[in-house]
Amino acid sequence: EAGVAQSPRYKIIEKRQSVAFWCNPISGHATLYWYQQILGQGPKLLIQFQNNGVVDDSQLPKDRFSAERLKGVDSTLKIQPAKLEDSAVYLCASSRQGGSPLHFGNGTRLTVT
Amino acid sequence: AQSVTQPDIHITVSEGASLELRCNYSYGATPYLFWYVQSPGQGLQLLLKYFSGDTLVQGIKGFEAEFKRSQSSFNLRKPSVHWSDAAEYFCAVGPDYGGATNKLIFGTGTLLAVQP
Repeated sequence: EAGVAQSPRYKIIEKRQSVAFWCNPISGHATLYWYQQILGQGPKLLIQFQNNGVVDDSQLPKDRFSAERLKGVDSTLKIQPAKLEDSAVYLCASSRQGGSPLHFGNGTRLTVT
Repeated sequence: AQSVTQPDIHITVSEGASLELRCNYSYGATPYLFWYVQSPGQGLQLLLKYFSGDTLVQGIKGFEAEFKRSQSSFNLRKPSVHWSDAAEYFCAVGPDYGGATNKLIFGTGTLLAVQP
């Protein structure tokens, strides 16, 4: 089966600019996750979707981050405006349902200058 | 508070030598424990998981891990390391796998280098 697809692979922006990341989960996977991985740290969950509804967004900085999952398939994560501390790898993962193993994409590496 | 500690930031072993990566956790309920591996520029791949039962679990690529409740540990082992095992390894703890959320808490990772 095809894996989790993410784009772009790399993005460099200046602070205060906006940026968007795209994720296409594995076909048939109802649950989608966005993780933030800062250099030297483990991944941290930003938001979890079950189909197109949000299950957990307790660690999403809602003043600047937003995410949507239209039609319960693809998802977009947006940052507006970006700060220097947002420099990280943003990982998308999917699973068949909330209690199933996670499959991760290769991530988007964001550098904010 | 729930947390995962990986005491070793960086480990170097010789090819063919044995390996043990340490993981300690703090979790209020019965933990569900995982080890993931991340190669450069790649996403995370699940090596193995522990839910219940036998405390020694086998994973892919010849890895195994042992759950020790008394020590709050879940150390990863491999008897003979291959050069292709060089990567970063993450231990993670999570809630009931049958629950609605998969909010895994990850450690900070251990970077493994393999010498020829």
